[in-house]
Amino acid sequence: QVQLVDSGGRLVKPGESLRLTCAASGFRFSDYYMSWIRQAPGKGLEWVSSISGSGSTKYYVDSVRGRFTVSRDNAKNSLYLQINSLRGEDTAIYYCAKGWGERRFDYWGQGSLVTVSS
Amino acid sequence: DIQMTQSPSSLSASVGDRVTITCQASQGISNYLNWYQHKPGKAPKLLIYDASYLEAGVPSRFSGSGSGTFFTLTISGLQPEDIATYYCQQFDTLYSFGQGTKLEIK
Repeated sequence: QVQLVDSGGRLVKPGESLRLTCAASGFRFSDYYMSWIRQAPGKGLEWVSSISGSGSTKYYVDSVRGRFTVSRDNAKNSLYLQINSLRGEDTAIYYCAKGWGERRFDYWGQGSLVTVSS
Repeated sequence: DIQMTQSPSSLSASVGDRVTITCQASQGISNYLNWYQHKPGKAPKLLIYDASYLEAGVPSRFSGSGSGTFFTLTISGLQPEDIATYYCQQFDTLYSFGQGTKLEIK
């Protein structure tokens, strides 16, 4: 069955960098779009970034473009989110999600908590 | 950017009630609309895709309708396990979510 395991979240200081990882299993990873979605404390869900199965196409929400980089290693069935110049407003639970095409997020990881605080 | 507005923001209903949540898009999005259920500490779960299609394994008391700019999620016969926050999400232009509707039991 499909399984997505998020990891890498921790307490970091403003301005630092962090890489989140999503380990996927139970499906042919390279065939599917993958995405990152976050939820800040007390807030709703916010789509952050998506990447095509080959990794050649990437999308970002405007608020993170230039600081966040999505990537994947299909040989390792892994999705990554590199976050640079972290800010307080980046504090959130970050979920990876499997795409059904570019249309919907049909499976989600359990989330990884990133806390940005001095 | 396409803005998604859900109503109400919170809702209290009794077991067995029919519950309706609405979602309005800032521009027409055809049927490019999905609904998710999110319980605290859990991964969000896809309920409805393409506005009206029930995801496999989701109870038939959940249904969705709408097209263009106005959409609804209906729960026919609320159950205690339906307590959650519900989100709509458009995929016409990239992706965006509504602000969520928190559903509680009276």
